[in-house]
Amino acid sequence: EVQVVESGGGLVQPGGSLRLSCAASGFTFSSYRMNWVRQAPGKGLEWVAYIDSSDGTIYYADSVKGRFTISRDDAKNSLYLQMNSLRAEDSANYYCVRELIVADKADFFDMWGQGTMVTVSS
Amino acid sequence: QSALTQEASVSGTVGQKVTLSCIGNSNNIGKYAVGWYQQISHGTPKSVMFGNSLASGIPDRFSGSKSGTTVSLTISGLQPEDEADYYCSTWDYSLSAWVFGGGTKLTVL
Repeated sequence: EVQVVESGGGLVQPGGSLRLSCAASGFTFSSYRMNWVRQAPGKGLEWVAYIDSSDGTIYYADSVKGRFTISRDDAKNSLYLQMNSLRAEDSANYYCVRELIVADKADFFDMWGQGTMVTVSS
Repeated sequence: QSALTQEASVSGTVGQKVTLSCIGNSNNIGKYAVGWYQQISHGTPKSVMFGNSLASGIPDRFSGSKSGTTVSLTISGLQPEDEADYYCSTWDYSLSAWVFGGGTKLTVL
């Protein structure tokens, strides 16, 4: 089955760290750009981070820059998000999202995992 | 405040045609194709439109269009199962970031 499955969420105190994982299966993971997108309870979707499939290019949302690190291990078909210095406003459901390149300047999010919930609270 | 602007809510009756809009600027919608994503009852988002093309499994009552820095998602023949939150998203050249609209809550009356 073609899917991505997130894990690693949980309850963490402000200032703490957490590492999210995303296990991909059923497709050639190394060929795809990948992203993390989050959604706070009752709020809209917010993009968090991007990692390229070939040249290692990485981008972050301003809200997490300097605190979060996205990485991938193509040998393990896995995507990661290391989250440090966590704040209450980082509390959200974190989705692992595959990016599909349809044409030049036409990329889309074509596969979403179920998400893993992160709660930052004392 | 979201980089892309969507209506907060839209409603329609079964069988009606409704149009959702997504307004951006020359750095995002003006340069890149836009995706539309459906989220039912805060479940997992599902891809609906890739530019003007339907995602796999999406019925052809959904269609998309683009004019300048505005894109639209039209649902012709609204069905009860279309009730959901809809988000538009694209890449922003100046921000070097993916951006989302704030989402439109579609209610089927």
